[in-house]
Amino acid sequence: QSVLTQPPSASGTPGQRVTISCSGSSSNIGSNTVNWYQQLPGTAPKLLIYSNNQRPSGVPDRFSGSKSGTSASLAISGLQSEDEADYYCAAWDDSLNVNYVFGTGTKVTVL
Amino acid sequence: QVQLVQSGAEVKKPGASVKVSCKVSGYTLTELSMHWVRQAPGKGLEWMGGFDPEDGETIYAQKFQGRVTMTEDTSTDTAYMELSSLRSEDTAVYYCATGPREYPGSYWGQGTLVTVSS
Repeated sequence: QSVLTQPPSASGTPGQRVTISCSGSSSNIGSNTVNWYQQLPGTAPKLLIYSNNQRPSGVPDRFSGSKSGTSASLAISGLQSEDEADYYCAAWDDSLNVNYVFGTGTKVTVL
Repeated sequence: QVQLVQSGAEVKKPGASVKVSCKVSGYTLTELSMHWVRQAPGKGLEWMGGFDPEDGETIYAQKFQGRVTMTEDTSTDTAYMELSSLRSEDTAVYYCATGPREYPGSYWGQGTLVTVSS
């Protein structure tokens, strides 16, 4: 059972802006940075955003991340058909047993 | 550029063990912190454990403690994940992944499907 909560789905038409939320607690998002992963159908996940708002080389600037308190969000602006994928937030959790926790995942559909 | 190549699919009976390998190229294993993540069919990502460079030890998710062992062979730059006492709920794709401590998962293997069935 994940400790990071995301909406199960989000959608938009091409060109629109879509935002995905990720809700955690003081032991994870509240005290550590947040990373985001994109998983295209049938493929391994790919790091999309790290350290709250940093993009790895090659990730389009249409993708942006932010964090405030115990929540984080991923925004996709200028939505494209190839953005249809599952998106997961993740963070280290410093509770009794240190764990790297993933969010519940959000399926983004391009209408 | 780091490349991770995993071993092939496995079919195991309940109660058995499985050992999945992850061959590293582009870097040596000693330069990396390896993690293992699994994904049951139609489900989300689940971190199983990995090397924490802050402590210099491999840490395991509480859910898997006592049942999972992660090892490394630095002579061949290959990481291993062994899961014992398999049950049907362990049917999943198992991924190795590596990256800096703050964001493990900069690089991922292609995944290994482990099916547990009688």
